[in-house]
Amino acid sequence: GAVVSQHPSRVICKSGTSVKIECRSLDFQATTMFWYRQFPKKSLMLMATSNEGSKATYEQGVEKDKFLINHASLTLSTLTVTSAHPEDSSFYICSAAVRILAKNIQYFGAGTRLSVL
Amino acid sequence: QKEVEQNSGPLSVPEGAIASLNCTYSDRGSQSFFWYRQYSGKSPELIMSIYSNGDKEDGRFTAQLNKASQYVSLLIRDSQPSDSATYLCAADHGSSNTGKLIFGQGTTLQVKP
Repeated sequence: GAVVSQHPSRVICKSGTSVKIECRSLDFQATTMFWYRQFPKKSLMLMATSNEGSKATYEQGVEKDKFLINHASLTLSTLTVTSAHPEDSSFYICSAAVRILAKNIQYFGAGTRLSVL
Repeated sequence: QKEVEQNSGPLSVPEGAIASLNCTYSDRGSQSFFWYRQYSGKSPELIMSIYSNGDKEDGRFTAQLNKASQYVSLLIRDSQPSDSATYLCAADHGSSNTGKLIFGQGTTLQVKP
């Protein structure tokens, strides 16, 4: 399967600071990447769809000024959690879509566990 | 509201048994269906994809799709304790070609030695 690298795997930060998470597709070019958030024992919640060279599409209820997404190249998307607060503590996971035989398939990064003190 | 529904479980099976995981979806336009496995504290891992009615086998895993009934299932033969995880069913948005998926809430599988 395709390899998606996500960094860092774990972040502990103070309230009010900003945190950047990187998502890279290592062996393919991904025109579309996705950012999810997951609370303990809950399913994935899609936050936004990131398209290379254009603005991200955010899901309803997700603050775009709070969660800044940049997709500068076909292999890199970043999520910046601005002015993080304890309620932003969560497991953030990215995925990249690769097109195989006319089908889009999502492969996930390893996730970033964010703890805001 | 387009949805994917799964029984959250836990589904408990003895080692060596067949585990049967089920999923229904609401968007009749969905064409691609996926099963992901997620271990506790880890990110989802793709196990199977299925696009046509019928069965698709890969090792101990068999995915089944019935578009008329809007039903997808995953069978795990000879279940092992290492199969204990949460299994996420996902369907694509029929009206979109972005690869965006609708995920179910996941079924927790426990395989007891």
